[in-house]
Amino acid sequence: GAVVSQHPSWVICKSGTSVKIECRSLDFQATTMFWYRQFPKQSLMLMATSNEGSKATYEQGVEKDKFLINHASLTLSTLTVTSAHPEDSSFYICSAQQGWKNIQYFGAGTRLSVL
Amino acid sequence: GQNIDQPTEMTATEGAIVQINCTYQTSGFNGLFWYQQHAGEAPTFLSYNVLDGLEEKGRFSSFLSRSKGYSYLLLKELQMKDSASYLCAVRNRGSTLGRLYFGRGTQLTVWP
Repeated sequence: GAVVSQHPSWVICKSGTSVKIECRSLDFQATTMFWYRQFPKQSLMLMATSNEGSKATYEQGVEKDKFLINHASLTLSTLTVTSAHPEDSSFYICSAQQGWKNIQYFGAGTRLSVL
Repeated sequence: GQNIDQPTEMTATEGAIVQINCTYQTSGFNGLFWYQQHAGEAPTFLSYNVLDGLEEKGRFSSFLSRSKGYSYLLLKELQMKDSASYLCAVRNRGSTLGRLYFGRGTQLTVWP
């Protein structure tokens, strides 16, 4: 399968600071990437769809000014959590679509802890 | 959203066979996916079905019946490492750029 790299895998930050998470497709180009959030023992919650060269599409209830998404190239999308607060602590996972079946391949995830 | 239903938990013993069911209600069906997720890790792709029938891949097989809105994931010769959450996901023709709708996941525990 295709390889998606996500960094960092784990980050601790102070409340009020911003954190950037990178998602890269290593061996393929991805016009579309997705950002998810997952709480313990729950399923994936789609936050936004990231489109190369255009604005991201956010799901209802997700603040686009708080979760900034940039998809500047066909292999890289970034999610910036701005002015992070403890309630933003979560497991963030990205995915990229590959092939004619548009199968989503996931990055390893980023565990964010906001103190 | 879409209505995707799968059991919350299942248990089985090593070497056995287990079937994880998934039912869905959606318009404009355009594919069903199964993912495996170990605790604290991201999901890994297992299978994709868009036509009716059985897709076999090693110890894992996935079945789809579009008319019944039903799929199952069959795991044979269970191993301890198969203990994980199994996510069923559906894609619609109208889905924004291919977004998936995930079920809540089935936590499978394999006992020795």
